Amino acid sequence: ETGVTQTPRHLVMGMTNKKSLKCEQHLGHNAMYWYKQSAKKPLELMFVYSLEERVENNSVPSRFSPECPNSSHLFLHLHTLQPEDSALYLCASSQVRQPVNEQFFGPGTRLTVL
Amino acid sequence: AQSVTQLDSQVPVFEEAPVELRCNYSSSVSVYLFWYVQYPNQGLQLLLKYLSGSTLVKGINGFEAEFNKSQTSFHLRKPSVHISDTAEYFCAVSDVNSGSRLTFGEGTQLTVNP
Repeated sequence: ETGVTQTPRHLVMGMTNKKSLKCEQHLGHNAMYWYKQSAKKPLELMFVYSLEERVENNSVPSRFSPECPNSSHLFLHLHTLQPEDSALYLCASSQVRQPVNEQFFGPGTRLTVL
Repeated sequence: AQSVTQLDSQVPVFEEAPVELRCNYSSSVSVYLFWYVQYPNQGLQLLLKYLSGSTLVKGINGFEAEFNKSQTSFHLRKPSVHISDTAEYFCAVSDVNSGSRLTFGEGTQLTVNP
C-alpha cells in the first residue's frame, strides 16, 4: 500500500449503531487530519493530530470520537449519528516542521446515516 | 483567520478550450496557496502550490496559477483542457505561521464536454 488509505470506502449505518472509520498513512508523516466533505460546502476540518497528540478539535459533536494510536493510524469512532452526518469523510497526513505543510489525502469513506 | 472564495461553482467548457478557475482569499498575514483536484470517488490531489518567489506557478497536468497579492487572487488556468480534466477543484490557503491548518474554498466543478 502507498499513500493514504481509508477503510471502509462506503458505510451505511443506522442512528443507533456504533462504527469506526480507519485511516492509515504509509508516508512516514507525523500529523494526521479528519475532514468532513458535504455537498456544496467547503471541507470542514474536524480534528488534527500532531505527533500523536490532538492539537485541534473544531467544535465537533461528541458523537464523533477520534483516536490516534500511533503516527501511522487514525480512527474516527462513530455513535448515535444523525442523518445530517451523512458525508464523505476524508483523512489526510502531512509532515509538520517542514517549511510548507502539504497534506496528502486518502480516497475517503462515504458515510450514509439512515 | 483566513477565508477563500471560489467565484464559480460550476464551469462547463468544451474540449481543447482554455479555462480559468477563479480563487480569491482573505488573510491578515502572509499565506501559502494551494490548488487541489478531486476526481470522482477519490480524495484530493495537490495540483500546485505557491510558497514564495515567482508569482507564476506551474503544476501537474498542464495547469498553472498566478499569485496576485494586490488583488488577493490565485486563479488556476489551463490553455487547453481534456475530457479527463473533468473534476472538482479546490483552492486552499495556509497561514505561514500555522502550517497545520488549511482553509478550503467551496470548490469549482469543471466539466469538459466533447
